[in-house]
Amino acid sequence: ILNVEQSPQSLHVQEGDSTNFTCSFPSSNFYALHWYRWETAKSPEALFVMTLNGDEKKKGRISATLNTKEGYSYLYIKGSQPEDSATYLCASLTGTASKLTFGTGTRLQVTL
Amino acid sequence: GAVVSQHPSRVICKSGTSVKIECRSLDFQATTMFWYRQFPKQSLMLMATSNEGSKATYEQGVEKDKFLINHASLTLSTLTVTSAHPEDSSFYICSARGRGLRYTQYFGPGTRLTVL
Repeated sequence: ILNVEQSPQSLHVQEGDSTNFTCSFPSSNFYALHWYRWETAKSPEALFVMTLNGDEKKKGRISATLNTKEGYSYLYIKGSQPEDSATYLCASLTGTASKLTFGTGTRLQVTL
Repeated sequence: GAVVSQHPSRVICKSGTSVKIECRSLDFQATTMFWYRQFPKQSLMLMATSNEGSKATYEQGVEKDKFLINHASLTLSTLTVTSAHPEDSSFYICSARGRGLRYTQYFGPGTRLTVL
């Protein structure tokens, strides 16, 4: 994998459903993996910064895992709520560069 | 904490004019600021990185004479799109990283530029 790829591109779930998205990134020279939540007309909000293989982070109903050897991360949302509706971005940091390479995001819509 | 503002949020201008976008870190000192551009259905693409008090480092393919970046203080960076053309119409967004915040970048809300 040369670029950061996210799937699915969009997702529509009902309130209360649990869901997950995938972020694939180049595994060579890996440094860190970022997840952001981006609501319309607002600033992207940092959710997690993950650096260690096997790392798992949690923030309320949202959690993320990281596999640096195979180059993927999963973001899970348990019991989705309408306020979770947003675009979820992942970005990888490689080598010693301070440059983030972003995926195109997964757009989540949660309806009642 | 870690709030970044960006102004204006939306600007429409005529072809050939210059547009300045401001990015401010409101509650921390931003030693490094980043400028990104996003075209429809594409990912955020880094345009340039600026460190306070020094010249910006531009990514390949980004014209430094067209996109002037100034990072004169630890709380303010500006991006000026000079002699804007319709193909410069895009969403521009800045982020800032502070001293000691090795990884995390805090983003502004972005600026939608439309060049007529």
